[in-house]
Amino acid sequence: RKEVEQDPGPFNVPEGATVAFNCTYSNSASQSFFWYRQDCRKEPKLLMSVYSSGNEDGRFTAQLNRASQYISLLIRDSKLSDSATYLCVVNHMDSNYQLIWGAGTKLIIKP
Amino acid sequence: DAGVIQSPRHEVTEMGQEVTLRCKPISGHDYLFWYRQTMMRGLELLIYFNNNVPIDDSGMPEDRFSAKMPNASFSTLKIQPSEPRDSAVYFCASSLAGVKEQFFGPGTRLTVL
Repeated sequence: RKEVEQDPGPFNVPEGATVAFNCTYSNSASQSFFWYRQDCRKEPKLLMSVYSSGNEDGRFTAQLNRASQYISLLIRDSKLSDSATYLCVVNHMDSNYQLIWGAGTKLIIKP
Repeated sequence: DAGVIQSPRHEVTEMGQEVTLRCKPISGHDYLFWYRQTMMRGLELLIYFNNNVPIDDSGMPEDRFSAKMPNASFSTLKIQPSEPRDSAVYFCASSLAGVKEQFFGPGTRLTVL
C-alpha cells in the first residue's frame, strides 16, 4: 500500500462547479500536510498548507481528518485555469524535511 | 530573486552515454532535493542534501546514479551509463530549514534512446 494515496482522476468538471477530492495517508505520525499544484509540463508549486482546524484561501478550502487519516481539497466556482494535477503531500517526524508525495489527481475544467 | 535553476532543460542522448544534470538552489536555502517524475511512478525522491551533505540516498535507483553538492550553490546528478528506462523529468528543489515548502526548478526532460 502506498503511503499517500489519491484518486488519479481525471475529474471532468464544468466551469463554475464545485469539486472536491480526498487524499489518504497511512502513517499516523504524519504531522504536516500540503496541496501542491502541477500544470502540464511544469514543476509542482505549493497551493496551500493544511492545518488541523482547516483553512481557506479564496475559492480553495483544505481540511484535515486525523482520525480517518485523510485530507481534502475543495474548489468552489471552478475556473478554466484551475485545470491541473493536484498533489497531496505529507511530512512526518521520522523523515525530517523529506516530503511524501501522492501520485496526483488530474482536474479538467470544461467551459 | 531567481528561483531554482536547472540545466539543461532538455537532454536527448543515446543509451550508454553519460548524462549530467545541474541545479542551482535558491540562495540561502540549506536543503536540496533531486526528484524523478514519470507517468508510471509519479514523483520519486532520489536523494536530498542538508548543508551540502547527502542525508538520504535510498531513492537512488542503482549505482549508475550519483549526486554531488560541492558547495551551497551547486549540485549535480549524474547517470553513467544511461539507459532508456532513465527517461523522465528530473526536478531539483530547495527549501529552508524550518520551512517545509519546497521550491522546484523547471526540470530537465531526459530522453535516452
